[in-house]
Amino acid sequence: AQSVSQHNHHVILSEAASLELGCNYSYGGTVNLFWYVQYPGQHLQLLLKYFSGDPLVKGIKGFEAEFIKSKFSFNLRKPSVQWSDTAEYFCAVNSNAGGTSYGKLTFGQGTILTVHP
Amino acid sequence: DVKVTQSSRYLVKRTGEKVFLECVQDMDHENMFWYRQDPGLGLRLIYFSYDVKMKEKGDIPEGYSVSREKKERFSLILESASTNQTSMYLCASSRSRGWGYFGPGTRLTVT
Repeated sequence: AQSVSQHNHHVILSEAASLELGCNYSYGGTVNLFWYVQYPGQHLQLLLKYFSGDPLVKGIKGFEAEFIKSKFSFNLRKPSVQWSDTAEYFCAVNSNAGGTSYGKLTFGQGTILTVHP
Repeated sequence: DVKVTQSSRYLVKRTGEKVFLECVQDMDHENMFWYRQDPGLGLRLIYFSYDVKMKEKGDIPEGYSVSREKKERFSLILESASTNQTSMYLCASSRSRGWGYFGPGTRLTVT
């Protein structure tokens, strides 16, 4: 069974600091990769996604992620964080075996990001 | 604007009660999912459905069942609630090869 690992449980940064959140997955076949964000009291929402093509993916609010197939990684980055980025971030993988994976996702444990003003 | 709605935001039930959690999506999506979210564990898939009346077990189906009689509605049933089912329950929907749109969640407390 596939698994997803997020390296950091809680990251604390000051505004304007750079952010990198790690995500590794265990599935060896074709994958679709996602980062979701959950702001305090809000729905889980899609931040960015990778299906194919350019491994550097840009998402909303200045976030980007890089898919490195050889390292089974999909790390999330932002050059300069803001207080409003305080949230929990989830990496997720959809193994696209045979192209009929039904959109089923395996999630990592989540990383809580706290940004101090 | 896409929408996934869940019947309750907060629910308190007693041990042994039968509990129904309802989810409705208005996007004509084929797939619907139930996850539970627990601190430090992320989201774990309970059940999913890829068509009306079709269902498949996820990673943690024990103690749960589901029903999908109409395309837009997916129900999660706890036949006999237990305290270890106290959690946040998230419903999601997606197209066959798309990504999930999530509902606001139902925080269930079983006492």
